[in-house]
Amino acid sequence: AQKITQTQPGMFVQEKEAVTLDCTYDTSDQSYGLFWYKQPSSGEMIFLIYQGSYDEQNATEGRYSLNFQKARKSANLVISASQLGDSAMYFCAMVGGGFKTIFGAGTRLFVKA
Amino acid sequence: DTGVSQDPRHKITKRGQNVTFRCDPISEHNRLYWYRQTLGQGPEFLTYFQNEAQLEKSRLLSDRFSAERPKGSFSTLEIQRTEQGDSAMYLCASSLDRQYSPLHFGNGTRLTVT
Repeated sequence: AQKITQTQPGMFVQEKEAVTLDCTYDTSDQSYGLFWYKQPSSGEMIFLIYQGSYDEQNATEGRYSLNFQKARKSANLVISASQLGDSAMYFCAMVGGGFKTIFGAGTRLFVKA
Repeated sequence: DTGVSQDPRHKITKRGQNVTFRCDPISEHNRLYWYRQTLGQGPEFLTYFQNEAQLEKSRLLSDRFSAERPKGSFSTLEIQRTEQGDSAMYLCASSLDRQYSPLHFGNGTRLTVT
């Protein structure tokens, strides 16, 4: 069975600083995809970044980067130069051999001015 | 690209009543998903359609829940004989028919069962 674990229920970061949100996963699939989504207080889930299990380079999208450590089964999200608008829930997610995306419990990020 | 649209945004119903939610996916997307999200939790998978075919259903989807996607376009999720435990946000998402294509979510339908 596949599982996503996010151990940080809440995180605080000072505006303009970098923050790392942790994610570990468990799967028996050899090929899989890892995702991060953002959910602001408005409720809509927004796709941020994707990493394939066979990708050798860590994914980057603007201020977001994914620190992928396959042997440790971790896929941490790094947000650089935090902005007040980054305050939201962040979910790590995975798709394995099937079509179903499973999500972790999320981390709530608070950006302080 | 008008995004994924869900209707209604909010639904308050009394226990025992039936409710139906609608989702209109992004037009080019063949895949459609329903998720349920309770407060402080991540979305839980309910069911998945590829075009009009319902290919996977979660065990969470009891026989009171049914989903359809006639003609492979919009989808409906019906809950019969609602219970208070059904209160949650119901999220619809769609994606391209491609491995590891990211999900595009609607704003959800918040159901409150009184």
